[in-house]
Amino acid sequence: DVKVTQSSRYLVKRTGEKVFLECVQDMDHENMFWYRQDPGLGLRLIYFSYDVKMKEKGDIPEGYSVSREKKERFSLILESASTNQTSMYLCASSAPGGPFVAQYFGPGTRLTVL
Amino acid sequence: EDQVTQSPEALRLQEGESSSLNCSYTVSGLRGLFWYRQDPGKGPEFLFTLYSAGEEKEKERLKATLTKKESFLHITAPKPEDSATYLCAVDADSWGKLQFGAGTQVVVTP
Repeated sequence: DVKVTQSSRYLVKRTGEKVFLECVQDMDHENMFWYRQDPGLGLRLIYFSYDVKMKEKGDIPEGYSVSREKKERFSLILESASTNQTSMYLCASSAPGGPFVAQYFGPGTRLTVL
Repeated sequence: EDQVTQSPEALRLQEGESSSLNCSYTVSGLRGLFWYRQDPGKGPEFLFTLYSAGEEKEKERLKATLTKKESFLHITAPKPEDSATYLCAVDADSWGKLQFGAGTQVVVTP
């Protein structure tokens, strides 16, 4: 079974703090994704990566950056957290092979920015 | 712009009362349609992938079907443990990127 883990289930930070969210997958997947999920807005893609050291902007990259130094690990960084970044953050990974490939999700991190 | 719309937003069922959820999409080139189940406070769990119109997939009490413009998730004789939010997503044109619908929250009461 695919296992995607995220560093924290719940996180509380203050406005202006630098926040790191980490995601690790154990299935040697090349593709990794970061989403945020908000009530009424569904899942929105922040950043994704198809390979080590490679990153692409998703639909809502503003205020975020990412790092992928190793294949199994994909980090999401909030350089200066703001209250509108309070959300559920979900990491996903998928195998290579083009379209039709499902993404597998981690348990999520509920981030609250005060 | 690609759009994925799920209906209804919420569905309350009695145990054993079968029903269907709808996912309609407007995309320029569908490569795959995915169904996920999400329990409160957890990440989405992959259920099905559908590739082409006419295709059907089944898992326990769930059956997913696909037409050229929409997909249905049929829940047959649901049980309380089927209570969850069901998400639909499409992979269209941008390889590997999924566009999600807002989901249908299903509550099954005993």
